[in-house]
This record gives sequence, C-alpha cells and structure tokens, in this order.
Amino acid sequence: GQSLEQPSEVTAVEGAIVQINCTYQTSGFYGLSWYQQHDGGAPTFLSYNALDGLEETGRFSSFLSRSDSYGYLLLQELQMKDSASYFCAADTYNQGGKLIFGQGTELSVKP
Amino acid sequence: DTAVSQTPKYLVTQMGNDKSIKCEQNLGHDTMYWYKQDSKKFLKIMFSYNNKELIINETVPNRFSPKSPDKAHLNLHINSLELGDSAVYFCASSQQGASDEKLFFGSGTQLSVL
Repeated sequence: GQSLEQPSEVTAVEGAIVQINCTYQTSGFYGLSWYQQHDGGAPTFLSYNALDGLEETGRFSSFLSRSDSYGYLLLQELQMKDSASYFCAADTYNQGGKLIFGQGTELSVKP
Repeated sequence: DTAVSQTPKYLVTQMGNDKSIKCEQNLGHDTMYWYKQDSKKFLKIMFSYNNKELIINETVPNRFSPKSPDKAHLNLHINSLELGDSAVYFCASSQQGASDEKLFFGSGTQLSVL
C-alpha cells in the first residue's frame, strides 16, 4: 500500500530548532510536500521537494532523499505561533495524480 | 478575496438527512478536490476533478456525490448521512502542471451528524 510515516508529536522550546521526519512508501512518486495546519484552520502549503537536497524558505527548510524514501522539515528559531500540525504529503502520478498525506505531527512550542 | 471558499463552515444534522457543501475557487485552477479529515486529523482524498471531469474517485460510499458545474466549482452532496460521516471536509484546488503541486485549501466544513 501507499503510506507515509511521521512522528505523532514533537515538543520544543522557543528559539530552538526542530526536525520533523517523514518516510514514505508510494508508487509513482513525484515529490514531497509539507503543509502546516493550525487548530481549526485549513492546511497551508509550506514547501515542495521534487529533487534531492535542501530547499530553504526563511526559517523553514525541507529536505528530500529519494534513494532513502525520506524527507524532513526543519524549523529554526521556533516561535510560539509555530505550534501547529505539520503534514508531509507525497505527490504521486498514479490515477491522475494525487497527494497522499501522512498522519501529521503535532508540534508544541513551549516558552 | 478568499481564494477557495466553501460553505457552510459548520453543518449539524440528523442521521438520514441529505446535505450539500459548496466550494468555489477564484484562482483559475484546473483541478479541484474534496478531502476528508477525521478526528485523528488524517487527511484523505475523496474526489478530484480536472476541468469538470472526474479523475480520482477513492473508495467512498455511493452516498457521496460530487458535482462540478464548471471548473471553478465543486460541490459535494451527501445522502442518508451516517454518524461516521462526522468529520471536517476540505475543498482544495491546484493548477495542473505547476512545478510545486501546491494545493490551496478552503477553510473547511465541520460536519456533525447526530
């Protein structure tokens, strides 16, 4: 089957760096996306990796290794507002293309 | 202006009723989706339409019927609602062929079946 695994929860303190890992098992893999969702809100796009390596966008970076079927989201200089759920999602080209989401990682940032 | 808007925001109804959720996007995207998010926050795709044509239909009961009158709208009609249908339903859109495969989500419809 197709699946993505990520930790269910992570806790960190303000100003720290946290890494959220994601391993995937999918067929027809195109790339890996990351989404952020605050409680009661909609998922919002953070980043997309189609190629191996690191993509940096401000305090957030995302990494992909296709050979290891692995990626991670790195959040630096954590702020309280970063407390949210973070989802990795595999972009696949089977059946017309669809995003398959992981179960989400709930990040709690403490003062 | 809201990019992807869906209504209603909250829907509380009795078992056995029929209800609809509407979705509109003003981004000019080709593709629209319905996702279901359960109480454990698992996001699962239900349907995908590209230019009004159904391209993804996951294992969803026949009670769920999407309708796309044009590429800017994708509505979801649910017949004979069951307790297990309680969830948050998200509409989303994307531009086919975009390099980042970015989905834009609506604000969600929280459906509670009593």
